[in-house]
Amino acid sequence: GQQLNQSPQSMFIQEGEDVSMNCTSSSIFNTWLWYKQEPGEGPVLLIALYKAGELTSNGRLTAQFGITRKDSFLNISASIPSDVGIYFCAGEITSGTYKYIFGTGTRLKVLA
Amino acid sequence: GAGVSQSPSNKVTEKGKDVELRCDPISGHTALYWYRQSLGQGLEFLIYFQGNSAPDKSGLPSDRFSAERTGGSVSTLTIQRTQQEDSAVYLCASSLLGLEKLFFGSGTQLSVL
Repeated sequence: GQQLNQSPQSMFIQEGEDVSMNCTSSSIFNTWLWYKQEPGEGPVLLIALYKAGELTSNGRLTAQFGITRKDSFLNISASIPSDVGIYFCAGEITSGTYKYIFGTGTRLKVLA
Repeated sequence: GAGVSQSPSNKVTEKGKDVELRCDPISGHTALYWYRQSLGQGLEFLIYFQGNSAPDKSGLPSDRFSAERTGGSVSTLTIQRTQQEDSAVYLCASSLLGLEKLFFGSGTQLSVL
């Protein structure tokens, strides 16, 4: 199936460090979403982006919708152990379809 | 219930058997999605139901896979003649029409021996 490309695939960082991950696609997206999945659970929405260039924050998380509408990044500042999980980007290809495809995920591990 | 409920949480089956996975969405949510998450992979879109409209089945990997949604609520994903490559976590999500926030269940871990 169709997927978005995320990088890096995995990250091991020290507590307190900042984290940056990104998502790219060959297709233009109208909405970019960032989700976090913890072990044994389904993904939970962190941030939603609706227009090119938009920069949105949610606590220590900041995400941006790329100008080309083909990419997005997520930053986590001052990481803590509970940030561990898999972070997925997701996009709605055609506005109004509410059909979302998900990225390949970035696995984050935080070392205390 | 308060969230999306999926059952069973774990299913072990033998190759060639049929399996049914169930999803109870959040009450009032008109949209329901099925995704598949293989080990170490992202979420693969399978099928999308929206109200009374015809479902978007474009993500179903083969004709062994089918899904239905009865009464606009509960959904069942059926996999016939299971193969080992069907082993994965099957996630269901629901949302209100017009909202992008998908609420996911905890998934069904399917293992085909």
